[in-house]
Amino acid sequence: GESVGLHLPTLSVQEGDNSIINCAYSNSASDYFIWYKQESGKGPQFIIDIRSNMDKRQGQRVTVLLNKTVKHLSLQIAATQPGDSAVYFCAEKSLSNTDKLIFGTGTRLQVFP
Amino acid sequence: DSGVTQTPKHLITATGQRVTLRCSPRSGDLSVYWYQQSLDQGLQFLIQYYNGEERAKGNILERFSAQQFPDLHSELNLSSLELGDSALYFCASSPSDTQYFGPGTRLTVL
Repeated sequence: GESVGLHLPTLSVQEGDNSIINCAYSNSASDYFIWYKQESGKGPQFIIDIRSNMDKRQGQRVTVLLNKTVKHLSLQIAATQPGDSAVYFCAEKSLSNTDKLIFGTGTRLQVFP
Repeated sequence: DSGVTQTPKHLITATGQRVTLRCSPRSGDLSVYWYQQSLDQGLQFLIQYYNGEERAKGNILERFSAQQFPDLHSELNLSSLELGDSALYFCASSPSDTQYFGPGTRLTVL
């Protein structure tokens, strides 16, 4: 069935280092992907998105890379800060159900001083 | 702040009871989505409404129902509550593809 998964459930990085969070998706027909950040007790916060006609998109300190060949998505965070500590979810838009997003299980990012 | 509001923030109730969760979407967004997030779990899609009409259904139990009103706010009704229904319930709204989430309602069933 459709699924979006993450390779690393927990990622620990030192403050100032770059972080890379990975996500694998199984539906090759999906054409839209989003990364969300969820802090404890809060709702998911939109970080960045990318469409399948792009390979890379940059935001403020974040970059999303999409490799359609191997169905892989990654989120890169530059100069990771303590405030980046959260759970990060990738989400895939399903074309079989209008507007439906399929979420991965999440990766917890821990930033140490 | 995403612009999506949800009430109440916390809800504690007993098994067998019925509760209603409320969501107000961002101004201008016609689509409203409901998700359930259990402890240490991902987000499970429940149901979507678009401009008052049901548009898509996910893994929503028959004990659960939702509706979207003419002013576009939405309510999620949970009945015959069980212990396993304890979770965070999120509402999201969308102008097109991107979904913006509210702060959630934490439901505890005792």
